Amino acid sequence: EPEVTQTPSHQVTQMGQEVILRCVPISNHLYFYWYRQILGQKVEFLVSFYNNEISEKSEIFDDRFSVERPDGSNFTLKIRSTKLEDSAMYFCASSRFGGLAGVVEQFFGPGTRLTVL
Amino acid sequence: AQSVTQLDSQVPVFEEAPVELRCNYSSSVSVYLFWYVQYPNQGLQLLLKYLSGSTLVKGINGFEAEFNKSQTSFHLRKPSVHISDTAEYFCAVMGGYNKLIFGAGTRLAVHP
Repeated sequence: EPEVTQTPSHQVTQMGQEVILRCVPISNHLYFYWYRQILGQKVEFLVSFYNNEISEKSEIFDDRFSVERPDGSNFTLKIRSTKLEDSAMYFCASSRFGGLAGVVEQFFGPGTRLTVL
Repeated sequence: AQSVTQLDSQVPVFEEAPVELRCNYSSSVSVYLFWYVQYPNQGLQLLLKYLSGSTLVKGINGFEAEFNKSQTSFHLRKPSVHISDTAEYFCAVMGGYNKLIFGAGTRLAVHP
């Protein structure tokens, strides 16, 4: 059964450093997403991505954050100048369709736990 | 703007007892609702979804949910729970551009 994978499972970084979180969405999916979950809080939407463009981003997704699909399989989230409050579990998700093409479920990866010291 | 409220942060229940996890939503547009489950140290797995049609939706692992438009609710039910159902359950509504808006989650603890 196809699944979304994420690496690394746990990333520890010093405040102010840059991190890249990697995701491999399901191969025939066209829409990609990042969510985060601060410990003990709800899962929050960060950004959606389609056709090599950001479709929507939340207020959390400030100019320190960026996403990229560098090749046909990977989808990355980069955080520059990390802050303590960036510590969270980051989930990648993908879906076959979206937008006007129809609503379908999103498949989630296992997450990357980011710890900023 | 869409929002989701999960009324119970924790629900303890004995094995083989029925359970209901409550979810209320707020949406000004077409309503698409989801329940996801998160087992310890794992990602989010879809239990069931309501997109249209029958208001009673059946999902995996014996779970079902009923969409009630007048009460703006989408409660999750299971007639007989197992120890293995112990997990965090998230209700979500779909917002613009397919973003999911999640509730705070309900921790279901099944005791022997």
